[in-house]
Amino acid sequence: ILNVEQSPQSLHVQEGDSTNFTCSFPSSNFYALHWYRWETAKSPEALFVMTLNGDEKKKGRISATLNTKEGYSYLYIKGSQPEDSATYLCALITGNQFYFGTGTSLTVIP
Amino acid sequence: DADVTQTPRNRITKTGKRIMLECSQTKGHDRMYWYRQDPGLGLRLIYYSFDVKDINKGEISDGYSVSRQAQAKFSLSLESAIPNQTALYFCATSANDRQIYGYTFGSGTRLTVV
Repeated sequence: ILNVEQSPQSLHVQEGDSTNFTCSFPSSNFYALHWYRWETAKSPEALFVMTLNGDEKKKGRISATLNTKEGYSYLYIKGSQPEDSATYLCALITGNQFYFGTGTSLTVIP
Repeated sequence: DADVTQTPRNRITKTGKRIMLECSQTKGHDRMYWYRQDPGLGLRLIYYSFDVKDINKGEISDGYSVSRQAQAKFSLSLESAIPNQTALYFCATSANDRQIYGYTFGSGTRLTVV
């Protein structure tokens, strides 16, 4: 079982602030990394699928980068809005196995 | 309607009772999964099925069983519920290349065993 760590565990930011958080993983046997956004009482939704070292993905104000050599991915949110409040999960994929992190809980204060 | 529907949304049951959680999907995916989420832990795989005749144990299958009644339906049973099975349970589906496209999750079933 591989250890996928997300930090910080929780985060409170003011509306309009930009923020970022980290998913760290062992770099051996890397196949892909997924980011999911999970709002309370709703389904986790796929945000990004990242496969190549140096990948950068963007969706609106949210973007992600990937460094497979050093084993981390950053998720950035620019100009946070209250609707960004959610738990952000990353999942490391190696071969046919998925390993989920414990998530970063983001609260955006209006 | 949601792509992946789980029922019930919430359930409280007593220790020793048998309980079934149901999942249905309209994605047309062959692959279906049951995950469990506990505070402070990542999602952990209980069982998965790659088609109607295929059932596989995941990381934490002890105390659980599953049934794939049709391509669209995958149910999870707790034969004799115990308190440490209190958790949030997610059903998910995927296309065959889930590594590339990821999962479609249901909205979860919160189970409490007292």
